Amino acid sequence: EDKVVQSPLSLVVHEGDTVTLNCSYEVTNFRSLLWYKQEKKAPTFLFMLTSSGIEKKSGRLSSILDKKELFSILNITATQTGDSAVYLCAGSFVGRTYKYIFGTGTRLKVLA
Amino acid sequence: NAGVTQTPKFQVLKTGQSMTLQCAQDMNHNSMYWYRQDPGMGLRLIYYSASEGTTDKGEVPNGYNVSRLNKREFSLRLESAAPSQTSVYFCASIPGYTGELFFGEGSRLTVL
Repeated sequence: EDKVVQSPLSLVVHEGDTVTLNCSYEVTNFRSLLWYKQEKKAPTFLFMLTSSGIEKKSGRLSSILDKKELFSILNITATQTGDSAVYLCAGSFVGRTYKYIFGTGTRLKVLA
Repeated sequence: NAGVTQTPKFQVLKTGQSMTLQCAQDMNHNSMYWYRQDPGMGLRLIYYSASEGTTDKGEVPNGYNVSRLNKREFSLRLESAAPSQTSVYFCASIPGYTGELFFGEGSRLTVL
């Protein structure tokens, strides 16, 4: 059974801290790993990773994929209160089309 | 750009009633997805569709039916609603056969 597991489930930090969110997957026919940020409504896209060892960056956020060890991390440096959200990762697996399986998410709260 | 549009945004049903959640995308995307999101459960895939006329079961298909009559629209039907189907439902689509998932704003369904 395809599975995506995120850790920790929740995290409370202070502004300025650096956080690392983890995502591991057990899948067949894995194609890519995606990270999303969810505040009050629909998830918003952060990154899609397909190649192992290549870091993707956007401002204070960065992510990397390890296809050998089957995990990805999302780093957020110099956290701000606006980073408070649920962070979701999803693995895409090929079938008739691409199926996306999500983890349960990590709830991040950044205190001022 | 409308993107992915879901209707209705809110609905309250009584146990045993039926209803259809509508989803339409105007981005000429091929694949479309229905997810449900419950507290602490992340996003769980109900059904997905690679193209017009094709549908596949996801992780939690029981109690639901779907219809992909054309490329734009993908509807989700609850034939006999149960309280366990109280959830927030998200429709999503991807361009081609892989890539970033584009989400609708969500539909909050309560079954009494």
